[in-house]
Amino acid sequence: QSVLTQPPSVSAAPGQKVTISCSGSSSNIGNNYVSWYQQLPGTAPKLLIYENNKRPPGIPDRFSGSKSGTSATLGITGLQTGDEADYYCGTWDSSLSAWVFGGGTKVTVL
Amino acid sequence: QVTLRESGPALVKPTQTLTLTCTFSGFSLSSSAMCVSWVRQPPGKALEWLALIDSGDNKYYNTSLKTRLSISKDTSKNQVVLTMTNMDPVDTATFYCARFVHFRELDYWGQGALVTVSS
Repeated sequence: QSVLTQPPSVSAAPGQKVTISCSGSSSNIGNNYVSWYQQLPGTAPKLLIYENNKRPPGIPDRFSGSKSGTSATLGITGLQTGDEADYYCGTWDSSLSAWVFGGGTKVTVL
Repeated sequence: QVTLRESGPALVKPTQTLTLTCTFSGFSLSSSAMCVSWVRQPPGKALEWLALIDSGDNKYYNTSLKTRLSISKDTSKNQVVLTMTNMDPVDTATFYCARFVHFRELDYWGQGALVTVSS
């Protein structure tokens, strides 16, 4: 049972948009930065979004992040087959003094 | 260029202690913003954060696994070591080390090391 809650899966056709939610509490998302990670099949996770809504160099602007209260959202527009992956949210939990991940969301391009 | 690489045994027996080493380059753990963290992922399952160590040698652990984990660093060798005691087959996983910046994000990851627990 993850501290952060994500939907197990989302899907859409190529070119469409998907959003992935990440729900937490005041001890984690509510008072700390959220980051998002993309894990392509058979590879290590890669940082996709940091500090709620910033993209590292090389990450296309099709990927966006936002945060409101105790929830965060990852958006992917112009969906491509290469976006099929597992996506994880993560943040620091001040009560646990520990990093926490969401349970992951599998994105499928129909 | 920041790189991290995990090394250790691919196979351990139940009840044994696992020792993994993360060797990194491109940054220093003596910098106040830098930490190194360990994350594991059982086959087909989600990421699970394990532990981190910061430049001040402060250590943080997954509360569920705290009694079994130990993390340490050798700043001169650019290495961080994770030990996990009393290994069980359910601990079979790919273990990743990652750079952890300002307690905000894991920005660089190693390729991972698969550890199988079996007699």
